[in-house]
Amino acid sequence: GENVEQHPSTLSVQEGDSAVIKCTYSDSASNYFPWYKQELGKRPQLIIDIRSNVGEKKDQRIAVTLNKTAKHFSLHITETQPEDSAVYFCAASLNTGFQKLVFGTGTRLLVSP
Amino acid sequence: EPEVTQTPSHQVTQMGQEVILRCVPISNHLYFYWYRQILGQKVEFLVSFYNNEISEKSEIFDDQFSVERPDGSNFTLKIRSTKLEDSAMYFCASSGLAGRNNEQFFGPGTRLTVL
Repeated sequence: GENVEQHPSTLSVQEGDSAVIKCTYSDSASNYFPWYKQELGKRPQLIIDIRSNVGEKKDQRIAVTLNKTAKHFSLHITETQPEDSAVYFCAASLNTGFQKLVFGTGTRLLVSP
Repeated sequence: EPEVTQTPSHQVTQMGQEVILRCVPISNHLYFYWYRQILGQKVEFLVSFYNNEISEKSEIFDDQFSVERPDGSNFTLKIRSTKLEDSAMYFCASSGLAGRNNEQFFGPGTRLTVL
C-alpha cells in the first residue's frame, strides 16, 4: 500500500523566514496530495492541496510543488508568522480522492518572533 | 460554514468496556471516514463508509470495531471491548460529491482514554 515519508520532523525558523517541508510517496497511482495544519489539541485543517495534473499551486504565503516523476511534493511557507506554528501533515490519496488519506509523520514548525 | 461535529469530546473507559463515538458529518456529504491519532503520532486511517456500507478498512479496524449510520445524520464508531492501546484521539471526517473537491473535513475529535 501507499507509504508517505515526511521530513523534517521539527523545523524552527525566525519570523519572516521561509519554511519548506518535504514529503515522498510510494504509490505512483496516488493523485491527490493535501496538506493539513494541526494546532495543539485541535482538528487537522486543510491549508492547500494539489492534484497530479498540476505541478505547482499557490495561495498567498503558501505554495505546494509536486514532482510526479520523483514522487515527492513540498510545502513552502514564505514570510512565516508566529501563528504559523503548528504541526503540518502531508497526505496522499489514490484514484478519485474519495478514498483514505495516508498521512506523513508530521512536521512540528516553530516560528520564533 | 458547516462543520463536522463529534461527541463526546473526551471519553474515559475501563479496559474491556464498549464505547460508542458519535459523529455528525456535513449534511450533503456522502463519504465518511474514521481516523485515529495516538498521542504525538501521525493520523491513521481506520475505515471509510459510503452508501451504507464499508468501502475500505485498515488492518487496525479488526472485529472489535464497527461503524454504523443509524439515521440520516449520525455516523458512529463502536469499539466492543476496549484495550489500553485503543487510547487515542479519534477523528471523524466527511467529504462531498463525486467530481467536486476531494477535501476531507475533519471533526474536532474524541479523546478516548482506556484505563
